[in-house]
Amino acid sequence: GDSVTQMEGPVTLSEEAFLTINCTYTATGYPSLFWYVQYPGEGLQLLLKATKADDKGSNKGFEATYRKETTSFHLEKGSVQVSDSAVYFCALGYTNAGKSTFGDGTTLTVKP
Amino acid sequence: GAGVSQTPSNKVTEKGKYVELRCDPISGHTALYWYRQSLGQGPEFLIYFQGTGAADDSGLPNDRFFAVRPEGSVSTLKIQRTERGDSAVYLCASSSGLAGGKQYFGPGTRLTVT
Repeated sequence: GDSVTQMEGPVTLSEEAFLTINCTYTATGYPSLFWYVQYPGEGLQLLLKATKADDKGSNKGFEATYRKETTSFHLEKGSVQVSDSAVYFCALGYTNAGKSTFGDGTTLTVKP
Repeated sequence: GAGVSQTPSNKVTEKGKYVELRCDPISGHTALYWYRQSLGQGPEFLIYFQGTGAADDSGLPNDRFFAVRPEGSVSTLKIQRTERGDSAVYLCASSSGLAGGKQYFGPGTRLTVT
């Protein structure tokens, strides 16, 4: 079956540091890949997505590239802010099916 | 506009009791999903509705869990004979059009079984 593995957290960075959160997946088909973010006290929200190999998703300064050869979808940001402190979830899903498979989340704390 | 809402926000029940959790999706969204999130883990898929019908219920853990969406809008997740292991945050999400599109999540219902 499908699975998503994220780097274990928590991750603590200083403001303006470079962020990478690793995500690898195992899939039986050709999924779309997603990063969701959950800010403190809020619900999950979609951060970015990529629907096919070599696509790059981007939003709010975050980027992730769909790498089929390495089955990865690593999240990056060049300069993090305190407001980026949240839990980040990598996930995969299929266009014609409802089920999405999530990783266990990575908690990011950014200190001023 | 209004997002996905879930009620109650918290539910404490005794082992063996029956509970119902409600989800109000975004108006006009035809797809609705239920997930369960245990502490320190990601959301785990339970069931997906397209309109009134359950298109995929492969994530329901056993026959104590059941969900309905009779009019293609509000959905209710029903858990019979609750067990302590059912304690988790139950998340609902909705999306427009085909599955696999952007899902909008509700705030969740935290269920505690004592």
